[in-house]
Amino acid sequence: QKEVEQDPGPLSVPEGAIVSLNCTYSNSAFQYFMWYRQYSRKGPELLMYTYSSGNKEDGRFTAQVDKSSKYISLFIRDSQPSDSATYLCAMSVGAGGTSYGKLTFGQGTILTVHP
Amino acid sequence: DTEVTQTPKHLVMGMTNKKSLKCEQHMGHRAMYWYKQKAKKPPELMFVYSYEKLSINESVPSRFSPECPNSSLLNLHLHALQPEDSALYLCASSLLGGRGLNEQFFGPGTRLTVL
Repeated sequence: QKEVEQDPGPLSVPEGAIVSLNCTYSNSAFQYFMWYRQYSRKGPELLMYTYSSGNKEDGRFTAQVDKSSKYISLFIRDSQPSDSATYLCAMSVGAGGTSYGKLTFGQGTILTVHP
Repeated sequence: DTEVTQTPKHLVMGMTNKKSLKCEQHMGHRAMYWYKQKAKKPPELMFVYSYEKLSINESVPSRFSPECPNSSLLNLHLHALQPEDSALYLCASSLLGGRGLNEQFFGPGTRLTVL
């Protein structure tokens, strides 16, 4: 079983839809949760960052972390064609020890928002 | 300057060639990373440097040799590669300590093809 599971999709939605992207994980030591967006032929770009459980909102994006269920989500409101990309969840245990600086990524979900 | 730059953008090399990939950042980050990414897969960590010293080597074959000449530069020397090493090679950097480790800024990558 992978440490982080993410449905690769692909996911296709109409413009204006609410998009829900999810990851589950098995390592209860994860404390930091990130969402990266990667456009085709580009490097990943950090979208959202959450420490421990809770919600975080930034414009049209909302990140949720439920540590009790080992489940994280990214919601995109009023989706736009420019949101079409691969979305990667990533997690880490934090500083110190042998995992110093190591992110564990999900497989990535390919999202297409069509006009 | 909030950018990580990588050169070259594309590289084609034979299995007997020696080449180098270069990464540069001027954000004052003291952690730098090399990742390998195959198509439709998440990035895989190869190496982590902190304060110009190698802190993580994810059991990468010796045909990949990293070097961190100073706090702004990271190189990846390539020698006797195999066709299966063809991939997108991503460089990233971050602050050290706590939250900073997890906010990794990625470059656009070098697309490597080994013939």
